[in-house]
Amino acid sequence: NAGVTQTPKFRILKIGQSMTLQCTQDMNHNYMYWYRQDPGMGLKLIYYSVGAGITDKGEVPNGYNVSRSTTEDFPLRLELAAPSQTSVYFCASSGVIGNSPLHFGNGTRLTVT
Amino acid sequence: TQLLEQSPQFLSIQEGENLTVYCNSSSVFSSLQWYRQEPGEGPVLLVTVVTGGEVKKLKRLTFQFGDARKDSSLHITAAQPGDTGLYLCAGARGGAGSYQLTFGKGTKLSVIP
Repeated sequence: NAGVTQTPKFRILKIGQSMTLQCTQDMNHNYMYWYRQDPGMGLKLIYYSVGAGITDKGEVPNGYNVSRSTTEDFPLRLELAAPSQTSVYFCASSGVIGNSPLHFGNGTRLTVT
Repeated sequence: TQLLEQSPQFLSIQEGENLTVYCNSSSVFSSLQWYRQEPGEGPVLLVTVVTGGEVKKLKRLTFQFGDARKDSSLHITAAQPGDTGLYLCAGARGGAGSYQLTFGKGTKLSVIP
């Protein structure tokens, strides 16, 4: 089983460029999430979605946008990249039942210079 | 903002030693999850504890949820190099889904052969 797949694995952007981080899951999970992980800072929730067509802001949404047109896909868009967005980004999915575990992808390491 | 404090932040021990890492909060959680993350990969769920005072064992790993559901501990017996990684605790509030997970900053464990 593929689980949660993220692409690309690595990316270097110049300040002001835009890009989309792709995330797809094959577990038919309704819930999907985007986190960023900075050294020593744990995981911070950027955006989440409880189902196709529904998205909401997490703890650190500024500078990002998301969409959820299908159950499987949850892309994260950076419109004007800034050095503060240098981080490792993780997509995750989970079932609807409360307290269900998160299934993470292997991350995208993004550097903005 | 709820905080989950993990301690210690870093731990380096010799193979065969025992260790305990802690996850503390002033908030009550409906459940608490422990994840392990290896370099270049996403976190992987180890265990979920739900009931105050609950103890769960996973081979050499013992997880405990505090009676008041505000804290948790992870004890590893006879650590092995394969236990090396970042250990993250995450607390869930309510039963509406895992999007309300709060992550600690993690404990980075190195087990030296």
